[in-house]
Amino acid sequence: NAGVTQTPKFQVLKTGQSMTLQCAQDMNHEYMSWYRQDPGMGLRLIHYSVGAGITDQGEVPNGYNVSRSTTEDFPLRLLSAAPSQTSVYFCASRRRGYTDTQYFGPGTRLTVL
Amino acid sequence: DAKTTQPPSMDCAEGRAANLPCNHSTISGNEYVYWYRQIHSQGPQYIIHGLKNNETNEMASLIITEDRKSSTLILPHATLRDTAVYYCIVRVRDNYGQNFVFGPGTRLSVLP
Repeated sequence: NAGVTQTPKFQVLKTGQSMTLQCAQDMNHEYMSWYRQDPGMGLRLIHYSVGAGITDQGEVPNGYNVSRSTTEDFPLRLLSAAPSQTSVYFCASRRRGYTDTQYFGPGTRLTVL
Repeated sequence: DAKTTQPPSMDCAEGRAANLPCNHSTISGNEYVYWYRQIHSQGPQYIIHGLKNNETNEMASLIITEDRKSSTLILPHATLRDTAVYYCIVRVRDNYGQNFVFGPGTRLSVLP
């Protein structure tokens, strides 16, 4: 299994540009989530999904959109990037009601100029 | 979820046991204690979790006090590769939609 994969690894955007961060998992996990991590801080939840077609907001959802059309994929969209969205983004997945282990992807480092 | 308190940083000599404390004085009866770690800028990695009893796996041991208000993660023989930020998290197990809330954690430096 590849586990949780994220693309791209690095991205530089200009203010106002849009982009999609990709996340995929091949473990058939129901639960997927997006976190952001700012320097010296812990991870903050952006959005999460408990299954295909079901998404909900986390702690810091503003400026981000998500959708979950398949079990495997959970893309994160930035509609109009702002410098405050400069951060490292992590995607994670786990089984619902089966295991407590949450698997994280390698992260995407995003810089918004 | 109960709030946790961890020291911001700790040092440990290579080959010695690393004991990382965590206070969670407001923990509820059905909340588990989880430990994750993050090496450099990689994604967090699951270490161990427990409810009441002490737990041990191939990575570490988790000691939970009888009143459950604090716990200690023990890395029995720390290596340089254990240098990381360690997060202590409490949450209800398998709660539909329940998420992991990561605080700033403890930065463990294993010294040669």
